[in-house]
Amino acid sequence: GAVVSQHPSWVICKSGTSVKIECRSLDFQATTMFWYRQFPKQSLMLMATSNEGSKATYEQGVEKDKFLINHASLTLSTLTVTSAHPEDSSFYICSAGAVAGGRDTQYFGPGTRLTVL
Amino acid sequence: EDQVTQSPEALRLQEGESSSLNCSYTVSGLRGLFWYRQDPGKGPEFLFTLYSAGEEKEKERLKATLTKKESFLHITAPKPEDSATYLCAVQKRGGSQGNLIFGKGTKLSVKP
Repeated sequence: GAVVSQHPSWVICKSGTSVKIECRSLDFQATTMFWYRQFPKQSLMLMATSNEGSKATYEQGVEKDKFLINHASLTLSTLTVTSAHPEDSSFYICSAGAVAGGRDTQYFGPGTRLTVL
Repeated sequence: EDQVTQSPEALRLQEGESSSLNCSYTVSGLRGLFWYRQDPGKGPEFLFTLYSAGEEKEKERLKATLTKKESFLHITAPKPEDSATYLCAVQKRGGSQGNLIFGKGTKLSVKP
């Protein structure tokens, strides 16, 4: 149980284009999903918290107009990187909150490797 | 300042050579400490959550322990398939579910 999928697993795009990444909880409903970014040899950094039916909450320093988040249903959240630039190249990972053994736990997707040329 | 520090950065073991990974944390009120395993190019795979000092959890060759200042991930008789980066993350009390503060990880290599 508690499987999270992401699509695509990797994407290469030209500078200035927009890229959409999907995150799905496959066997459970998640009212809250999270988007992280991980640069090589660095920690996972939380970008934003996505709540179903409401606006996402962004971490300090993350541009909400550049990283558009939509949480359309209890099993789907999308991250759109608008007008992508080479510095946006990174590994984007989503997670979904689930209750396991009476406690909340985050389960992560497999990640999406974004390369902006 | 809230901080999570993992050591060592990298660890090379021979198959069967037991060892421990360390996660030291400084947070204003711990809600939970999480261990994840991450393979190259993959998302983190959940291993354990620890909530209070003295708590221990085991899964196959892995055992996680927690004190008020740090957590250890003990690996007993590791196998090559245990090679991965092990991530530690803490969640603050009173914080939202998403406020996981991650360490940089320990990259474990187990040679046959």
